[in-house]
Amino acid sequence: AQSVTQLGSHVSVSEGALVLLRCNYSSSVPPYLFWYVQYPNQGLQLLLKYTSAATLVKGINGFEAEFKKSETSFHLTKPSAHMSDAAEYFCAVTLYGNNRLAFGKGNQVVVIP
Amino acid sequence: DAGVIQSPRHEVTEMGQEVTLRCKPISGHDYLFWYRQTMMRGLELLIYFNNNVPIDDSGMPEDRFSAKMPNASFSTLKIQPSEPRDSAVYFCATAGQGVYEQFFGPGTRLTVL
Repeated sequence: AQSVTQLGSHVSVSEGALVLLRCNYSSSVPPYLFWYVQYPNQGLQLLLKYTSAATLVKGINGFEAEFKKSETSFHLTKPSAHMSDAAEYFCAVTLYGNNRLAFGKGNQVVVIP
Repeated sequence: DAGVIQSPRHEVTEMGQEVTLRCKPISGHDYLFWYRQTMMRGLELLIYFNNNVPIDDSGMPEDRFSAKMPNASFSTLKIQPSEPRDSAVYFCATAGQGVYEQFFGPGTRLTVL
């Protein structure tokens, strides 16, 4: 079955520094991949998605992710962290024709002033 | 559109009581998902519906849990009887046909004493 792996439950980053969250997927067929963000006491909100078009995907709030088939990865980056980026981030995968999503365990991002 | 609406936002009850959580999906969305989120287990899919029909309920933890979708505008998740280990945040999410992005509601925080 399809799955994603996110390493490091807590990630600390200094304000203005690069944000890098890693996601590796397992899938025997081309996947659709997603990054969601969850702010405290809120539901999950879509940051960006890969659906087999451009491999470099740009999302909201300055985030982007690159699909690398050879590495089975879909890492999330933002060049300069802002205090408002403090949240939990989830990577998710689905298969074409299947509306279920398999979520990773999430990364709690802390931004240090 | 108001997005996915969940009620109540918070519920505190005593062990043994019946709990009913409610969800109003985004109009026109054919898929509805119920998730549970805890610190220990992360985000778990409990059940999902397509066109009001339950497709996969393998994530429902026990017979104490039941879910219904009597029409395209409303779904309930019921726990009877509730137990302290059911304490969690329950999310409803919906998706359109052929669109794999899921839209999440704000969640219901359930505390069973």
